[in-house]
Amino acid sequence: DADVTQTPRNRITKTGKRIMLECSQTKGHDRMYWYRQDPGLGLQLIYYSFDVKDINKGEISDGYSVSRQAQAKFSLSLESAIPNQTALYFCATSTTSGGLYNEQFFGPGTRLTVL
Amino acid sequence: AQSVTQLGSHVSVSEGALVLLRCNYSSSVPPYLFWYVQYPNQGLQLLLKYTTGATLVKGINGFEAEFKKSETSFHLTKPSAHMSDAAEYFCAVSIAGYIPTFGRGTSLIVHP
Repeated sequence: DADVTQTPRNRITKTGKRIMLECSQTKGHDRMYWYRQDPGLGLQLIYYSFDVKDINKGEISDGYSVSRQAQAKFSLSLESAIPNQTALYFCATSTTSGGLYNEQFFGPGTRLTVL
Repeated sequence: AQSVTQLGSHVSVSEGALVLLRCNYSSSVPPYLFWYVQYPNQGLQLLLKYTTGATLVKGINGFEAEFKKSETSFHLTKPSAHMSDAAEYFCAVSIAGYIPTFGRGTSLIVHP
């Protein structure tokens, strides 16, 4: 089935380490997003990409970077992890065609703990 | 600018009772509105959406929502709660297909 997958699903790391979270999709969507979820805060947008050559910062991009390696792959990096980056991270996709008004499809999430 | 407010971080109902989750939005132009559900240890999935046309929108699992422009609301309802409805629910607003803004979420607790 067409899907959005994230690896790893769980990660525990130490302060100062570089971490990469990966997202792949088989939906053929052009738009991809990275969100973090903290209890009581909902979803906060970190970065988004409308195509391979288009990368944009979201509302909380400090401390994060991304790479769109292909239409199907969008990676999120924490250059030097800190404890307040402990959160649940979601990748999402959407399309601009077919009359779908930015409905998003989410991956299962990566639970990141920074000690 | 767009924003969305979900009233109540937790809603508790008994099995079989009416479910009402509240969502109000702020938008200067006609919005697209969404409700997503997140079950434990899963990603979000779309319950229903309003774009144009009929203001009463039916979604999966017996949920529905009504777009009320005069009240700037898009409340989610279900006539009879089931234990399996226990989850986190997110309302989101999008302007003309732009990146949606999500509410902070409402946790639905269903008691036997």
